[in-house]
Amino acid sequence: SQQGEEDPQALSIQEGENATMNCSYKTSINNLQWYRQNSGRGLVHLILIRSNEREKHSGRLRVTLDTSKKSSSLLITASRAADTASYFCATATAYNQGGKLIFGQGTELSVKP
Amino acid sequence: GAVVSQHPSRVICKSGTSVKIECRSLDFQATTMFWYRQFPKKSLMLMATSNEGSKATYEQGVEKDKFLINHASLTLSTLTVTSAHPEDSSFYICSARTGGYSNQPQHFGDGTRLSIL
Repeated sequence: SQQGEEDPQALSIQEGENATMNCSYKTSINNLQWYRQNSGRGLVHLILIRSNEREKHSGRLRVTLDTSKKSSSLLITASRAADTASYFCATATAYNQGGKLIFGQGTELSVKP
Repeated sequence: GAVVSQHPSRVICKSGTSVKIECRSLDFQATTMFWYRQFPKKSLMLMATSNEGSKATYEQGVEKDKFLINHASLTLSTLTVTSAHPEDSSFYICSARTGGYSNQPQHFGDGTRLSIL
């Protein structure tokens, strides 16, 4: 079963606006990662946040993690048309052999110019 | 850095054919590679974890005789879909990671679109 549930499933905004995507999970985790996928392509790693971290920044990206609520959010500020893609959260569980990731269902972001 | 090359990008073949997909880490050594399957507008489903020099670990429900995985070197893993049928049509993506720890990101190939007629 999927570990991560993301909402919204789809998000459409205007260029310059901020985009927020949420991810919830069910079991204890070692870390949570966010990836981006352009249509028909592979995934690109965006940011990794460890279970003992609460917030992390990378350029226009801000990720928060609340382990008590088992949830994370990805904020993209000042969005651009080039940010149009699907965004996935993925969790690595503490007791998972081989460190495999379990992916959420993804949020499809559309940024209109 | 951390480039993963996946080949071919697209395959169209007849039912009953076996298809091999290659996943290469170009500028790093990957002790662990992963194979995923993705259906349209869906998430990635992990099929198996490929460890260099040892047998792959398959997820529940994935037929190991149907999806043969070989990880013969630190830079190459292959997935062979044997006797492919139309229901095997999908987008297959590989990823690679340095080390065996989950606190490192995975680096993905660009995927292979497999269409079985």
